[in-house]
Amino acid sequence: GAVVSQHPSWVICKSGTSVKIECRSLDFQATTMFWYRQFPKQSLMLMATSNEGSKATYEQGVEKDKFLINHASLTLSTLTVTSAHPEDSSFYICSALWQGTREQYFGPGTRLTVT
Amino acid sequence: KQEVTQIPAALSVPEGENLVLNCSFTDSAIYNLQWFRQDPGKGLTSLLLIQSSQREQTSGRLNASLDKSSGRSTLYIAASQPGDSATYLCAVLSQGAQKLVFGQGTRLTINP
Repeated sequence: GAVVSQHPSWVICKSGTSVKIECRSLDFQATTMFWYRQFPKQSLMLMATSNEGSKATYEQGVEKDKFLINHASLTLSTLTVTSAHPEDSSFYICSALWQGTREQYFGPGTRLTVT
Repeated sequence: KQEVTQIPAALSVPEGENLVLNCSFTDSAIYNLQWFRQDPGKGLTSLLLIQSSQREQTSGRLNASLDKSSGRSTLYIAASQPGDSATYLCAVLSQGAQKLVFGQGTRLTINP
C-alpha cells in the first residue's frame, strides 16, 4: 500500500511553545489530507480536512487559531499546535486520500507531550 | 448522519481459532468501507477496502464482506495467530462525503 510519513514520531515541548508536525505522502500526490487526534483507548477524532492550495476545513469544536494547518504542496501538510498546553497532549495522526479509489492511507502518528 | 458500530468491543480467543469481527452502519448509501488494524501507540494499517459495488475482499487469512442493504460488514480472520492481536477499526465513507466515519474498534487478543 501507499506510504504516508509523519515527523516527528514523538515530541515533548514546554507549555506555551508551538510545535509543528509534518505529514508527507511518499507515493502519490494528495490534494486532500486529514488530521486526526486520538485519546487513549478511543477511536480517531477528525480535526480538520486539509486541501492543497486552500484553507483547511475544521470540525466543530476544533480551534483553527490553535491548530494551524498548511497544505502547501501535493505531498506535504503540516499541523502546528500553537501555544501548546498540557491538555493538547495526545496522539496526532494524518492521512492522505488516494482519489482513484478514495482510500485513505494513514501515517504512523505523532505522540505530543506538553509539560 | 452516518453512525458506525463495532461489536464486540473486546475479544479474546485462543490461537488457531477462526473469528469474526462485526461492523454495522446506519446509512446504506456508502462509497466504500475500510478495515484497519492499529497496534498500541502506532498509526493505522489499511487491511481491506471494499467498494460499494463489491460484496467481499480477501487478503491472505483475512476476508471482509459487505452487505449494504443490512448495513453490515464482517471481517473474518482465519487460523488466528498471536501477532493478530491489535485493535481493528471499521470506517465508512458515505456517498458524497469526504470524511471517514469510524467505529470504536474491537480490541482483539489472541492467546498462545
